[in-house]
Amino acid sequence: SQKIEQNSEALNIQEGKTATLTCNYTNYSPAYLQWYRQDPGRGPVFLLLIRENEKEKRKERLKVTFDTTLKQSLFHITASQPADSATYLCALDIGGNTPLVFGKGTRLSVIA
Amino acid sequence: GAVVSQHPSRVICKSGTSVKIECRSLDFQATTMFWYRQFPKKSLMLMATSNEGSKATYEQGVEKDKFLINHASLTLSTLTVTSAHPEDSSFYICSARESGHYGNQPQHFGDGTRLSIL
Repeated sequence: SQKIEQNSEALNIQEGKTATLTCNYTNYSPAYLQWYRQDPGRGPVFLLLIRENEKEKRKERLKVTFDTTLKQSLFHITASQPADSATYLCALDIGGNTPLVFGKGTRLSVIA
Repeated sequence: GAVVSQHPSRVICKSGTSVKIECRSLDFQATTMFWYRQFPKKSLMLMATSNEGSKATYEQGVEKDKFLINHASLTLSTLTVTSAHPEDSSFYICSARESGHYGNQPQHFGDGTRLSIL
């Protein structure tokens, strides 16, 4: 069966450290993988997109990797800040005009 | 950047009332919009895909007569929760992608509607 899993429901880290979130999938062949941030009571906000032929993508303090062999994406936030506390969702883009397939999210708490 | 506006942000009403939620793409056209439902601390659950000028496509287990979707224009989709009951209380979120740009494009989300049925 098809699955997308974010292996931590919640993650607590100390301010200034690097947060690493994991997204694994099975029985999908996504052309793209996307990461979103969702704050309580708000809709998700797009952060980064990475193509299947890209190994790594960076944006400011964010870094995403995509390993199609392992069927895994890692999402890193360096020099984390309390303001980074939110739920982070990974999403698979399987092509065409189909909706994205979302993971359940990881709730990140950055402790000052 | 692309913006999706969703209205109202919060509704509290009595059981049996029908509630309409609007989703507008403000600076792009969207032939397709998506409606999600989210329970507390749970992931987004896709309810239906709204198609401009044609019928919506509903996910398995979602009652189409309960959740009426109308996509009347390239910038507006509405979700009507008919005869709402307390079990329909939830957070409803709409999303859209710019028409003609599939793949390599994010889905833009509204800020959600918190529906509370008393």
